[in-house]
Amino acid sequence: NAGVTQTPKFQVLKTGQSMTLQCAQDMNHNSMYWYRQDPGMGLRLIYYSASEGTTDKGEVPNGYNVSRLNKREFSLRLESAAPSQTSVYFCASTASGYEQYFGPGTRLTVT
Amino acid sequence: QKEVEQNSGPLSVPEGAIASLNCTYSDRVSQSFFWYRQYSGKSPELIMSIYSNGDKEDGRFTAQLNKASQYVSLLIRDSQPSDSATYLCAVIASGAGSYQLTFGKGTKLSVIP
Repeated sequence: NAGVTQTPKFQVLKTGQSMTLQCAQDMNHNSMYWYRQDPGMGLRLIYYSASEGTTDKGEVPNGYNVSRLNKREFSLRLESAAPSQTSVYFCASTASGYEQYFGPGTRLTVT
Repeated sequence: QKEVEQNSGPLSVPEGAIASLNCTYSDRVSQSFFWYRQYSGKSPELIMSIYSNGDKEDGRFTAQLNKASQYVSLLIRDSQPSDSATYLCAVIASGAGSYQLTFGKGTKLSVIP
């Protein structure tokens, strides 16, 4: 089992460009999450999907959209990237709703 | 606003010593508590979960929970240089059907050989 996978690992965008971060899990988990991690700010929840077909906003959703494509895949889209979105993005999933398992992360720089 | 507080450190301990990491949380209805380890440049890795008052041991790690004091801690016995990392405390509140984790900002641990 690969667990939680994320693509790409690194990305550099110019302000105003768009991109989609991909996340997939092969653990048959119901819930999936997108976080961002910034120095001094800790991990903050952007969006989550409690189950296939549902998505909800987390703490910092502005500037992002998500799609729960199927049970395995949960993507995060930046429609018009801004320098404030420079961060490390982590996807996570859980079966029981308690113990979350994280992917390796995407390091995004917006210039 | 639910808050999870941790001392940012760095916490330095000599090899072989006990490292004690502490976490307090503001939401009294919190029911589930987790410790994650994060090496520099890597993703968080779940190392302990605890749901009821008392101690839970797993190898060199012991998690301690005191709901009355809204306090959870992680003890690492016989600390090794490989334990040097940032440790994140995370909490889920009861009734949060979406199972949203709230994270502390982490404590950086340095184990000195």
